[in-house]
Amino acid sequence: DGGITQSPKYLFRKEGQNVTLSCEQNLNHDAMYWYRQDPGQGLRLIYYSQIVNDFQKGDIAEGYSVSREKKESFPLTVTSAQKNPTAFYLCASQQGGGTEAFFGQGTRLTVV
Amino acid sequence: AQSVTQLDSQVPVFEEAPVELRCNYSSSVSVYLFWYVQYPNQGLQLLLKYLSGSTLVKGINGFEAEFNKSQTSFHLRKPSVHISDTAEYFCAVSETKGGKLIFGQGTELSVKP
Repeated sequence: DGGITQSPKYLFRKEGQNVTLSCEQNLNHDAMYWYRQDPGQGLRLIYYSQIVNDFQKGDIAEGYSVSREKKESFPLTVTSAQKNPTAFYLCASQQGGGTEAFFGQGTRLTVV
Repeated sequence: AQSVTQLDSQVPVFEEAPVELRCNYSSSVSVYLFWYVQYPNQGLQLLLKYLSGSTLVKGINGFEAEFNKSQTSFHLRKPSVHISDTAEYFCAVSETKGGKLIFGQGTELSVKP
């Protein structure tokens, strides 16, 4: 079945550690996105990539990094520079503008 | 740059009543508009989208939305809601020329018996 997979579903890390969230899609979509979701703030765009080996910062990129070495993969690293990393993270993919974006089930990151 | 404002953070409504969830957007260029629904601890699912043509768009689960260019709005409506419609609803916009997908703050719809 085609889809987009995020792993793990739940992740716990100690403060000061970097952590990488996985996002894989087998939909052959060109564009991929990372959003952060906090209560009452909707989905805020962290990074997006419209083509392999290229990506752009979103509205809240500070403290995060990404790579897009393969079309199907868009991992997000939450670095120790991110001041408040505890949140629900959603990955999405989209074939192009105007088409439906497909979302993963999300990763809930808790930093203690 | 485009932006999206959802005017109500929470909308409580009784079962079988009509509901409208409001969305306004801001953009200097042509846009595509979307409504997504999110059930607890899950990803988002597309309800409907406006690309061009008829300003009244019908989606899944009996929802519809109307694009109003002069008021830059894309309000979501359903004539009779069910308990199962309880979820968070997100309005989103992207520029037609390959723009990124931007979401509003979300509206929590709570349907009570």
